[in-house]
Amino acid sequence: GDSVTQMEGPVTLSEEAFLTINCTYTATGYPSLFWYVQYPGEGLQLLLKATKADDKGSNKGFEATYRKETTSFHLEKGSVQVSDSAVYFCALSDPGGGADGLTFGKGTHLIIQP
Amino acid sequence: GAGVSQSPSNKVTEKGKDVELRCDPISGHTALYWYRQSLGQGLEFLIYFQGNSAPDKSGLPSDRFSAERTGGSVSTLTIQRTQQEDSAVYLCASRQVRSEQYFGPGTRLTVT
Repeated sequence: GDSVTQMEGPVTLSEEAFLTINCTYTATGYPSLFWYVQYPGEGLQLLLKATKADDKGSNKGFEATYRKETTSFHLEKGSVQVSDSAVYFCALSDPGGGADGLTFGKGTHLIIQP
Repeated sequence: GAGVSQSPSNKVTEKGKDVELRCDPISGHTALYWYRQSLGQGLEFLIYFQGNSAPDKSGLPSDRFSAERTGGSVSTLTIQRTQQEDSAVYLCASRQVRSEQYFGPGTRLTVT
């Protein structure tokens, strides 16, 4: 079945550091890829998405590129802020695989220190 | 407009009791999803509805779990004879065709 693998952390960085959170996937069909973010005490929010190979999703300074050849969707940000501290989930949607729900990675807890 | 709402926000129940969790999707959203978030398993997809129909129930963890949706709107997830391993946050999401899923705040279920 479909699966998503991401680094679990916690990842601790200093403010203004460069961030990369790796995400790789396996899917039977041609999935859409997502990054969701969960801030402390809040619900899941969509951060960015990409629906086909080589698409780049971007939002709030975060970027991720859909790489079909490496089955990856790594999340990057050039300069993180304390307010970016949250749990980040990589996910895929693969209706061709049967169910229409999202398959999530286990989440990466990001801690940004001032 | 209003987002996805879930009730109750917290539920503590004794092992063996039945519980009902409710989800109110965003108005006009045709698809509705249930997920479970637990420490051991992360975020798991349980079931989805297109209108009132659930095409695939294989994601439900056991036959103690059931879900229904009426009027193309509100959905209820029912867990019968709760067990301690059912303790988790249950998330609901909804979406329109070709849009992303919007998540509710979740119901934290604790089985004692």
